[in-house]
Amino acid sequence: GIQVEQSPPDLILQEGANSTLRCNFSDSVNNLQWFHQNPWGQLINLFYIPSGTKQNGRLSATTVATERYSLLYISSSQTTDSGVYFCAVDPGGFQKLVFGTGTRLLVSP
Amino acid sequence: NAGVMQNPRHLVRRRGQEARLRCSPMKGHSHVYWYRQLPEEGLKFMVYLQKENIIDESGMPKERFSAEFPKEGPSILRIQQVVRGDSAAYFCASSPASEQYFGPGTRLTVT
Repeated sequence: GIQVEQSPPDLILQEGANSTLRCNFSDSVNNLQWFHQNPWGQLINLFYIPSGTKQNGRLSATTVATERYSLLYISSSQTTDSGVYFCAVDPGGFQKLVFGTGTRLLVSP
Repeated sequence: NAGVMQNPRHLVRRRGQEARLRCSPMKGHSHVYWYRQLPEEGLKFMVYLQKENIIDESGMPKERFSAEFPKEGPSILRIQQVVRGDSAAYFCASSPASEQYFGPGTRLTVT
């Protein structure tokens, strides 16, 4: 099956810093989503981005489907950005998401 | 438009009991998915349903687990004769087509 690897696995930032999270996948995909799992365990939709670039406030994402990777940019990080960031892909168009390994982010004041 | 709703949020069961987890999709969404997250792991797909139909149950354990999405009412994930290894967070998602929206999850603890 498809492999979804995220890097880095752990990231510690000072408030105000910028960061880039990466998601590599081993096969072509029909759907790619980024999620933030907050410290209370809730999964927040960040982006639905099978290709191209999108921006939402301090967050933006780019997916280069032909090269099988996606990037999530966080600018001017805040303590509320802490949590685990997952990318998830639908490899076959069958609508079952395969989740990546996650990046655990801690933003300190 | 309310989001995906799950209840209960926390459920404690003794070994051998049954667990029933409920999921109400967002209004207008006809696709429902269940995922399981074991401690310190990512989410794993379990089952994909549409009204009265199981579309893909390739991620469901072969025994003790079942799911339904009836014509009326919420989707139900049922776990019979729970064991300690079933302790996990169970998330439901719904979708109008492709993008999936997740509920807050049900945290099942088996004692």
